[in-house]
Amino acid sequence: KQEVTQIPAALSVPEGENLVLNCSFTDSAIYNLQWFRQDPGKGLTSLLLIQSSQREQTSGRLNASLDKSSGRSTLYIAASQPGDSATYLCAVWRRQGGKLIFGQGTELSVKP
Amino acid sequence: NAGVTQTPKFRILKIGQSMTLQCTQDMNHNYMYWYRQDPGMGLKLIYYSVGAGITDKGEVPNGYNVSRSTTEDFPLRLELAAPSQTSVYFCASRTPGLNTEAFFGQGTRLTVV
Repeated sequence: KQEVTQIPAALSVPEGENLVLNCSFTDSAIYNLQWFRQDPGKGLTSLLLIQSSQREQTSGRLNASLDKSSGRSTLYIAASQPGDSATYLCAVWRRQGGKLIFGQGTELSVKP
Repeated sequence: NAGVTQTPKFRILKIGQSMTLQCTQDMNHNYMYWYRQDPGMGLKLIYYSVGAGITDKGEVPNGYNVSRSTTEDFPLRLELAAPSQTSVYFCASRTPGLNTEAFFGQGTRLTVV
């Protein structure tokens, strides 16, 4: 059974800091890994999609890496801003059944 | 460009009532999913469908039913609402192929009292 774990559960940082969010998964037989952002009371917005053959993806101040052999992904946010405050969810696509399995999320607060 | 649309956005039900959460997508995706999200938790898969006429259970299917008569629509039915079904429900669809990406609706916030 695929399990996805995100550490830390919550993080509070001052504006301008670089930070790393961690995601680990137990089954390396995955298609892709997707990072989402969720604002309070809102839906999910896709941030980055890392294909199984890739090791990282970048979009603006965001960089996500994938190491399938160790079952880990990290989301790096450079020069954090108060507008980055949200919950960040990691999800993996299982090869078996084509299901998307989520971690419980990291709640990020960036203080001005 | 509508994407995945869910209705209603909010609903309050009394225990024992029934309702249908609607989900429709205009991207011609075969795969569609229903998730629920409880406070402070990630998303749990309720049911999914790989195409019209085909549905299967996810992690937490008890108390729910689905149907998929068209590619566009994937409604979720609650027959006898219980307080444990108070949650936020998200519908999603995904692009085909191995390099798949998921797209989510804005969610339905359901309270059972």
